[in-house]
Amino acid sequence: EVQLLESGGGLVQPGGSLRLSCAASGFTFSSYALTWVRQAPGKGLEWVSTISYSGGSTYNADSVKGRFTISRDNSKNTLYLQMDSLRAEDTAVYYCAKDRCSGGGCAFDYWGQGTLVTVSS
Amino acid sequence: EIVMTQSPATLSVSPGERATLSCRASQSVSSNLAWYQQKPGQAPRPLIYGASTRATGIPARFSGSGSGTEFTLTISSLQSEDFAVYYCQQYNNWPLTFGGGTKVEIK
Repeated sequence: EVQLLESGGGLVQPGGSLRLSCAASGFTFSSYALTWVRQAPGKGLEWVSTISYSGGSTYNADSVKGRFTISRDNSKNTLYLQMDSLRAEDTAVYYCAKDRCSGGGCAFDYWGQGTLVTVSS
Repeated sequence: EIVMTQSPATLSVSPGERATLSCRASQSVSSNLAWYQQKPGQAPRPLIYGASTRATGIPARFSGSGSGTEFTLTISSLQSEDFAVYYCQQYNNWPLTFGGGTKVEIK
């Protein structure tokens, strides 16, 4: 059974940093791209970042470019999102999702339950 | 950026009736279109990918159609568990983009 378990969310002040983790199991982690998608309170889904199976390619939304860094550790079956220079508009539930393909730019076939990030003073 | 527009924003349907949800792309996304269902407090659930292929475990009452810029998700006979918000997503171009969602509510 595929499982994706996010952690690391919480309350952070504007300008602060946070690192999210997504621990994966139930599939060959190193064979698939992975993605972070967020959802602000009461709003729709917004794609944030994708990383290819090897970590060699990454893609980021303009809204987070230069502030967020996606990475993965295939030896630990874990996906990360380093979030710096956080803003109030980054407040959201952050989901990790497994891509259907290795390179990214695919539909998602599994989602984690999400972790809430709140940026507020 | 490809803008995905879903209509209607809210759809009121009686149980057992058919529901038809639309998704339009601002430019062609070929068949690189997915649909997700989301209930309050839950993660999105994959329904359809490749515009018309059902994801694992999805009942046959859910069907997807379309290509290019016009797509449809049809729920043939609504069950109580189908009342939720539905999102379309294109994965033809970066950045990946989602529609604003259609809420299917009980009439």
